[in-house]
Amino acid sequence: DTAVSQTPKYLVTQMGNDKSIKCEQNLGHDTMYWYKQDSKKFLKIMFSYNNKELIINETVPNRFSPKSPDKAHLNLHINSLELGDSAVYFCASSRLANYGYTFGSGTRLTVV
Amino acid sequence: QQQVKQSPQSLIVQKGGIPIINCAYENTAFDYFPWYQQFPGKGPALLIAIRPDVSEKKEGRFTISFNKSAKQFSLHIMDSQPGDSATYFCAAEFQGAQKLVFGQGTRLTINP
Repeated sequence: DTAVSQTPKYLVTQMGNDKSIKCEQNLGHDTMYWYKQDSKKFLKIMFSYNNKELIINETVPNRFSPKSPDKAHLNLHINSLELGDSAVYFCASSRLANYGYTFGSGTRLTVV
Repeated sequence: QQQVKQSPQSLIVQKGGIPIINCAYENTAFDYFPWYQQFPGKGPALLIAIRPDVSEKKEGRFTISFNKSAKQFSLHIMDSQPGDSATYFCAAEFQGAQKLVFGQGTRLTINP
């Protein structure tokens, strides 16, 4: 019954590898997001998608490529991982602008 | 202009006390101000939200006070409990932005 589910929960990988994080929401929301939470807990928007279309790309390196096969799914693929990519990545969804976001439980990415 | 500044960074309160967390913003186009609560290992969860046409909103033990002229808003937790210990984030959004801008977070500890 999880509203926004992300997999995997933990990801440990070596520098230079490519990895993907998957996100699915069963709330019927039209907009989905990726947020990055750094070691100081700061939450920063990376991307937002509305009905499968990219709306916001917040100056994220092009090593990060989101893909939305349908409005219930938003995946994040990361190429050539760097140490600085280590963080917790959260997927979220919302029904409309100015309404509450529902966040997933996060994917903790550690690059070694 | 897109920033939301939150204080304090951390706060320790005795059980039953009233912790107050403050946020300030610059962009007058913001028209939606939510607060999120995050427990360790979990995603942020929407706690309460306010729009600038009201000065106060209460939901259970949580109250938002909003001062439009000062561009500030705050969260008050009445009769605080150890279970309220978490990180709290204020945020802001404006219509059409399709992204929440978060404050830096406040780590709240309620001592028994």
